[in-house]
Amino acid sequence: EDQVTQSPEALRLQEGESSSLNCSYTVSGLRGLFWYRQDPGKGPEFLFTLYSAGEEKEKERLKATLTKKESFLHITAPKPEDSATYLCAVGSNYKLTFGKGTLLTVNP
Amino acid sequence: EPEVTQTPSHQVTQMGQEVILRCVPISNHLYFYWYRQILGQKVEFLVSFYNNEISEKSEIFDDQFSVERPDGSNFTLKIRSTKLEDSAMYFCASKAGTDNTDTQYFGPGTRLTVL
Repeated sequence: EDQVTQSPEALRLQEGESSSLNCSYTVSGLRGLFWYRQDPGKGPEFLFTLYSAGEEKEKERLKATLTKKESFLHITAPKPEDSATYLCAVGSNYKLTFGKGTLLTVNP
Repeated sequence: EPEVTQTPSHQVTQMGQEVILRCVPISNHLYFYWYRQILGQKVEFLVSFYNNEISEKSEIFDDQFSVERPDGSNFTLKIRSTKLEDSAMYFCASKAGTDNTDTQYFGPGTRLTVL
């Protein structure tokens, strides 16, 4: 059974203070690792898909990386509008298995 | 930009009543999903649907749950006899292709409250 563990559960940053979120996973065979952003009361919003160890993807202030056991979401010079819960999931055609997420708060 | 839509945004029902949650997936997508998220907990997979049949379902998806694609655009989740513990956000998602790395796009959710 696929398992996803995210850390930390919550992270509070000052605007401009860079940091990283961690997602460790256990799967029988990685078929895709996905990062989503979720705002309160909303559905998950897609950010990145990673598949191969060593792969990196970037979007604005976010960069996602992947190793054989974990993925990192690096946030560079965050702004208050980056405040959200960041979800990591592993998946196949049939389902995604999510972690509990990291609640990121960026203070101005 | 195409998006998944869900109705209603909030449904309140009495325990034991039937509810139907509705979703319109992105046009031309092939895979459809339902997930739920109990307040403060993680997003949990319920069921996937492809080629007019269930592809996979979780232990949560018991005989009280059913899914249907009644026409070319809608995808529904029915809960036959709601329980208090069914209170959650229910998310519909859809995916375009058959590749494992294709993205699942989520709708805004339906908040179900069972009294």
